[in-house]
Amino acid sequence: KQEVTQIPAALSVPEGENLVLNCSFTDSAIYNLQWFRQDPGKGLTSLLLIQSSQREQTSGRLNASLDKSSGRSTLYIAASQPGDSATYLCAVNPMDSNYQLIWGAGTKLIIKP
Amino acid sequence: DAGITQSPRHKVTETGTPVTLRCHQTENHRYMYWYRQDPGHGLRLIHYSYGVKDTDKGEVSDGYSVSRSKTEDFLLTLESATSSQTSVYFCAISEGVQNTEAFFGQGTRLTVV
Repeated sequence: KQEVTQIPAALSVPEGENLVLNCSFTDSAIYNLQWFRQDPGKGLTSLLLIQSSQREQTSGRLNASLDKSSGRSTLYIAASQPGDSATYLCAVNPMDSNYQLIWGAGTKLIIKP
Repeated sequence: DAGITQSPRHKVTETGTPVTLRCHQTENHRYMYWYRQDPGHGLRLIHYSYGVKDTDKGEVSDGYSVSRSKTEDFLLTLESATSSQTSVYFCAISEGVQNTEAFFGQGTRLTVV
């Protein structure tokens, strides 16, 4: 059974730092992996989608990598800002999922001004 | 942002009453999903739809039913609400299954008293 783990559960860093969020999964048979952002009391915003054949995707200050063989993905945030404070979730789309995304528990990120 | 509207956004209801949540999309995406999000459990799939009148169960479907009579609308019904169904409910859509992004609505906070 596919399991997704996000470490750390919470992270607090000063503004301006570059940081890395981690996502690991147990079964490499996936179609893709998606990173989301969730602000308190709000919905989920899709940040980046990485297909299984891709190694990385970039959007602005965000860069997500995927190493399917080792079951790992990282989300790199450059020059962090207080507005980046949110919970970041990763989800994998397993090949045997029957339409079900498998979710990590999230990393709560706080950027201190 | 993807055109997904959930209604109502907040609802308080009494145990034993029926409740219907609505998800409306303007993207003409084929797939629609209902998730619930609870502390300690993350996001869990309740039901999904792969076309008009085509639905199937997810991980936590007991006590819930769904209907999709039009491409744009996906309804989630709690036949007889229980306190364990107090949660935040999210609707999501996607064009396909294998290689497409999932987009989420803003959520419905349901409290069963």
